[in-house]
Amino acid sequence: SQQGEEDPQALSIQEGENATMNCSYKTSINNLQWYRQNSGRGLVHLILIRSNEREKHSGRLRVTLDTSKKSSSLLITASRAADTASYFCATDATKAAGNKLTFGGGTRVLVKP
Amino acid sequence: AAGVIQSPRHLIKEKRETATLKCYPIPRHDTVYWYQQGPGQDPQFLISFYEKMQSDKGSIPDRFSAQQFSDYHSELNMSSLELGDSALYFCASTSGTGELFFGEGSRLTVL
Repeated sequence: SQQGEEDPQALSIQEGENATMNCSYKTSINNLQWYRQNSGRGLVHLILIRSNEREKHSGRLRVTLDTSKKSSSLLITASRAADTASYFCATDATKAAGNKLTFGGGTRVLVKP
Repeated sequence: AAGVIQSPRHLIKEKRETATLKCYPIPRHDTVYWYQQGPGQDPQFLISFYEKMQSDKGSIPDRFSAQQFSDYHSELNMSSLELGDSALYFCASTSGTGELFFGEGSRLTVL
């Protein structure tokens, strides 16, 4: 089963609106990361939040982490058409060797101009 | 800045053929990961190497093998290809910060 699962699977919003997506995971983690992927392209790291952090900001991105609920959320504020992409959460489980990341199912975000 | 380089970017193979994918990590990155991403799927971890030694193994078929060489580049060898092996194969590298840097991927199509 997947370590991380995302909700919603797809999101369609107007430019300027905020986009929120959630991620749940199953095991204890060292950190949780969010990545962005344009169709057919490589994944690009957005933000990393450590297990002892609750919230982190990077530009228009805000990430929260609730380790008691094993969940995280990614908020993109004032969205732009260029934010159209798939967004994945990925976890670095504490018992995993080599710091491998386990990815969730992804949220496809469409920002309409 | 240098990024992760993968080659080839695209390849087409017949069933039962073999394929080799190459990955050149970012200089001074000591860990390489291989992921497989099927259409509409999330990336699935295959295998990783740290300092040229296998560090972890995921859902990699026995038909696949990989290694990391002395110059830190890595190769993923796939034999007896099946239709279900058609996917994007990503390589990623890291220097231990936790953040993975991904290449643009190699798209394998098996006919």
